[in-house]
Amino acid sequence: TQLLEQSPQFLSIQEGENLTVYCNSSSVFSSLQWYRQEPGEGPVLLVTVVTGGEVKKLKRLTFQFGDARKDSSLHITAAQPGDTGLYLCAGAWDTGRRALTFGSGTRLQVQP
Amino acid sequence: EAEVAQSPRYKITEKSQAVAFWCDPISGHATLYWYRQILGQGPELLVQFQDESVVDDSQLPKDRFSAERLKGVDSTLKIQPAELGDSAMYLCASSLAQRTDTQYFGPGTRLTVL
Repeated sequence: TQLLEQSPQFLSIQEGENLTVYCNSSSVFSSLQWYRQEPGEGPVLLVTVVTGGEVKKLKRLTFQFGDARKDSSLHITAAQPGDTGLYLCAGAWDTGRRALTFGSGTRLQVQP
Repeated sequence: EAEVAQSPRYKITEKSQAVAFWCDPISGHATLYWYRQILGQGPELLVQFQDESVVDDSQLPKDRFSAERLKGVDSTLKIQPAELGDSAMYLCASSLAQRTDTQYFGPGTRLTVL
């Protein structure tokens, strides 16, 4: 069974602070996606990373894919209350099965 | 912008009753997925369709769950009989093709079994 570990599980910070969320696996991903989910809603895709060492930026969010394609990080600069939510990483492996395996998520609370 | 549609958004039922959820993927998306998300956890795949064919249903509890996508477009997920442990969010997602990793999710159906 291929597992994805996310850390931390919970994070409560003040507005304006920076934070980093991590996603790790013992297996090599063919691709990895980050989603944000609000209570009672479905996950919304933030980014897909495919190439080892890849860095993608989405406004104040920076996503990095590890060189070996086994890990990824999400860094948020100057967090705002609107960033509050559940951040999920999801990976696909080179097994031909294209459904995603999700981590358990990081629940972020940004206090004003 | 095209979206994945799901209904109902919320369902409350008693144990041993039958429930059904409906999903309409983004137009042109050949691959459709049903996931279950228990509170505090990430989504877990139940079944994956490529057009009208089941590609992966290894995690589907087949004694009580069934899924179909008869015309390769919309899909229905059924639970009969529902059990207390089935309370969860049921999410539908679609992607352009089986080898496309980018999946787009619907808003989900929140099921509560009493």
